[in-house]
Formats: sequence, structure tokens, C-alpha cells
Amino acid sequence: KAGVTQTPRYLIKTRGQQVTLSCSPISGHRSVSWYQQTPGQGLQFLFEYFSETQRNKGNFPGRFSGRQFSNSRSEMNVSTLELGDSALYLCASSPHDRAGYGYTFGSGTRLTVV
Amino acid sequence: KNEVEQSPQNLTAQEGEFITINCSYSVGISALHWLQQHPGGGIVSLFMLSSGKKKHGRLIATINIQEKHSSLHITASHPRDSAVYICAVWTGTASKLTFGTGTRLQVTL
Repeated sequence: KAGVTQTPRYLIKTRGQQVTLSCSPISGHRSVSWYQQTPGQGLQFLFEYFSETQRNKGNFPGRFSGRQFSNSRSEMNVSTLELGDSALYLCASSPHDRAGYGYTFGSGTRLTVV
Repeated sequence: KNEVEQSPQNLTAQEGEFITINCSYSVGISALHWLQQHPGGGIVSLFMLSSGKKKHGRLIATINIQEKHSSLHITASHPRDSAVYICAVWTGTASKLTFGTGTRLQVTL
């Protein structure tokens, strides 16, 4: 059974650019959530999607957005990149309609903004 | 004060030692997760608890809902246990995971 797949694994972008990260959940999982991990702030919740609907959003600026497709794959987009956006971005999928029970995490995308 | 506090922040142990990592939280929760993160970033979910105790191999996790406290124990520690261990709580009202700052464990020979 394939795990949660995040692409790309590594990314280097320049300030002001935008970036799109992809997350393919485990087959049958309909909930996908995204997290940002930095040395200073640790792991922080970005947003959660279930059946193509954003159900919750963390305390991040509007430059951070996401969406979920009908096949449950999810993308997150960061526009107008800032140096502080350099982080490991993780997604997790869950089979449950109330995600909070039983997560599987991907390996993450490490974004470096220069 | 963070909603989820972990202690210690760093822990060094010798192979074979019994290890305890603590997690305290200040909010009402529906579930608590223990996560393991190795260098390179990937996170593995070790346990999800809403009450009592769970055991998997050399790992044991306990939770006391009344005291808002959970512990992760590693028996007979091994260098491959070296990782960051993260406690996370699911609060149904906020519908999100809130994470502790993690405990960096190094097990030496």
C-alpha cells in the first residue's frame, strides 16, 4: 500500500516567486492536512481539507492557500515568497471524516527561499 | 505559555536505558498523538491515545486525562531510537493538531 507522497522533496526559490507543493494521500483517505515546520516555531498547522472542502485554516497569511481535488490529492501554494517561508512542509492523510484520528505523514517538501 | 509542553527538550541515554518523555497540555482534547521524526524530516505516527495505555514493542504510551499529562516510555533503548519525539493534541473544538516543541533523543552505544 503506497504511503503519502509529497513532491517535490526539495525546492529552492527566490524571494517574490510563488511555489506549489503536491500531496497524494493514501488511497481511500479523504482528509489531507498541511503543516509547516521551522526551527524557530516548530510544527504548525496550515490547513485541512476533506472532500475538496477546506474545513480549517491555521494562523497564516493569505499568501498561503491550498486546494483538494476530487481524487483527494491536495496542493498548497505560497505566493510572494519570503525568506521566512523556508521550512519543511508536511502533509498528512487520514481515512476519517473527523481527521484527528489516525494520521499518516508524508516525507515532506523542504523549501528554501533565497 | 504553550498549550502543549514537552520535557525534557534534549535527552542523551546509553543503550539499554529506560527512557521517559513527558507531555503536558492545557486544553481539552479528544486525542493525543506521539510522533517520531528522524533526521531528514519524515514523521511516523507512533501512538494515538484518548485514554489509558498502549504498547508497541519497546514503546509504551500512557495518558492521564484528569491530569492532562502523557508519557512515552522506551524500554531497552537502542541507537536506532535516536530521533525527535513530538507530542500533539487534537482539540475537537479547534479541529486541528497542536504540537509540542519535541524532545531530541540521542542513544549512544
